[in-house]
Amino acid sequence: EAQVTQNPRYLITVTGKKLTVTCSQNMNHEYMSWYRQDPGLGLRQIYYSMNVEVTDKGDVPEGYKVSRKEKRNFPLILESPSPNQTSLYFCASRQGLSSYEQYFGPGTRLTVT
Amino acid sequence: DAKTTQPPSMDCAEGRAANLPCNHSTISGNEYVYWYRQIHSQGPQYIIHGLKNNETNEMASLIITEDRKSSTLILPHATLRDTAVYYCIVRSPNAGGTSYGKLTFGQGTILTVHP
Repeated sequence: EAQVTQNPRYLITVTGKKLTVTCSQNMNHEYMSWYRQDPGLGLRQIYYSMNVEVTDKGDVPEGYKVSRKEKRNFPLILESPSPNQTSLYFCASRQGLSSYEQYFGPGTRLTVT
Repeated sequence: DAKTTQPPSMDCAEGRAANLPCNHSTISGNEYVYWYRQIHSQGPQYIIHGLKNNETNEMASLIITEDRKSSTLILPHATLRDTAVYYCIVRSPNAGGTSYGKLTFGQGTILTVHP
C-alpha cells in the first residue's frame, strides 16, 4: 500500500531536549516536505526536499533541521525544542514536478512543555 | 499562487449532493485548481484537480467556470465520512523556487454531513 508514515504519532517533551520525527514513504517519490498546522494559521511549510541531498527552507524553518540521505526518508529534527513548536506536524511526498497529487502522513502531535 | 475564497462552513444531508464553492478570481492561465480535504486532524487527502475542463473521478466532480474565476467541488452522494475541512488551492504545477511543491492551504470549508 502506497503510504507516508511518521513516527512518533504523539510526543510530549520538555524544552531543550533534542528530538527527531521520522518520515518515510514507499512510493519512490522525489519530493518530500514538512508542514506544521496550528489553529487559525492553517498548514505552513517548514522545509522541503526535491531529491536526495537537496533540501531548502519553507515558510517557517526557524528552529528546525532536516536531512535527506535516502530517497525514502526525510526526518525532521528539533535541536532545542521550545513551547512555540507545540503543533501538529505533517510530512508529505509527491513524485516530482509533473505530479499533481501530494500524499500526506498521518501527523505527529508534538507538545513541548 | 492565486488567492482563494471559500465559505467557512456548510451543511449537507447524508445521501444528498454536497456542492462546495471556491472563488479564485485572480487565477492565471497556467494555474490549476486542486481540492484536498482533511478529516479531523488526519493528514490532508488529495481529491481532484483541473485546469479548465470539468473533471470527475471516483471521489468527486470538479466544475470550473468558463472564465476560470470560480469552481465547485461536488460530492454526489455525501456520507457521514465526508465530514471534513475542504481546501481549494490554486497553483502552477511547475512553480519553482520556494514555491516548488508547496501547497498553500487557506482556512477551507468545514463540511458537516448530518443524518
